[in-house]
Amino acid sequence: ELKVEQNPLFLSMQEGKNYTIYCNYSTTSDRLYWYRQDPGKSLESLFVLLSNGAVKQEGRLMASLDTKARLSTLHITAAVHDLSATYFCAVDFGNEKLTFGTGTRLTIIP
Amino acid sequence: DAGVIQSPRHEVTEMGQEVTLRCKPISGHDYLFWYRQTMMRGLELLIYFNNNVPIDDSGMPEDRFSAKMPNASFSTLKIQPSEPRDSAVYFCASSNSYEQYFGPGTRLTVT
Repeated sequence: ELKVEQNPLFLSMQEGKNYTIYCNYSTTSDRLYWYRQDPGKSLESLFVLLSNGAVKQEGRLMASLDTKARLSTLHITAAVHDLSATYFCAVDFGNEKLTFGTGTRLTIIP
Repeated sequence: DAGVIQSPRHEVTEMGQEVTLRCKPISGHDYLFWYRQTMMRGLELLIYFNNNVPIDDSGMPEDRFSAKMPNASFSTLKIQPSEPRDSAVYFCASSNSYEQYFGPGTRLTVT
C-alpha cells in the first residue's frame, strides 16, 4: 500500500523557535513535494525534491529528502507568525499521481 | 498565466440535484487532476487525465460521480444525484509533469 505519514499532526510553537516536520513514505520514490495551505485557501507549492540528498531553502523554510530512509523533513528556523498554516507533503510513486500526507497544522504563537 | 481556474467557487444545492464543477487548466499542461478535501478524509485524488484521456479513476467514490475532459483547456466533474456526504472542497490541479498547480477550489455544500 502506498502511504505517506506526517508528524506531528498539530504543532504549536513560539515565535523565534526552530522545529521540524517529518514525512515518511512507504515505498521507493524520488519525487516529493511540500505544499502550504492557509485556512479556506488552496494549496501553494513550496518545494519540489527530485533526488536523494536534495535540499531546498526558501526564507525560514528548508526541505530535504533522504530516499534511502524514505524520509523528508521540513525545517522551520526562527518561526514567525505568518508561517502559521497547514503543511502537506506529497509523494509521486511513479505514476504522476500524488499521495498526500495528513498534513501538519502549524500555529505560531507570538 | 492566470493559473488554474475553477468555477463556481461556492455551490449550495439540495440533495438529489445535479452539480457540475468546472476547471480550466494552465495552458500547456498535459495532466489534469481532480481532488476532494474533507476534514475526515483529507485530500483524496478522484481522477486524473493525461492529454485529455482519463488515466485513473479509481478514486471516484461511486457511479454518481463522472468527469470529462473534452479538450485541453476544459474539464468538468459532475455529481448526479448529489448527497449531503458529497459536501467538500473540490480542487482541480494541472501539471507539466514536474509540479502540480492547484486551482482555488469549489466549496460544495449539499443540504
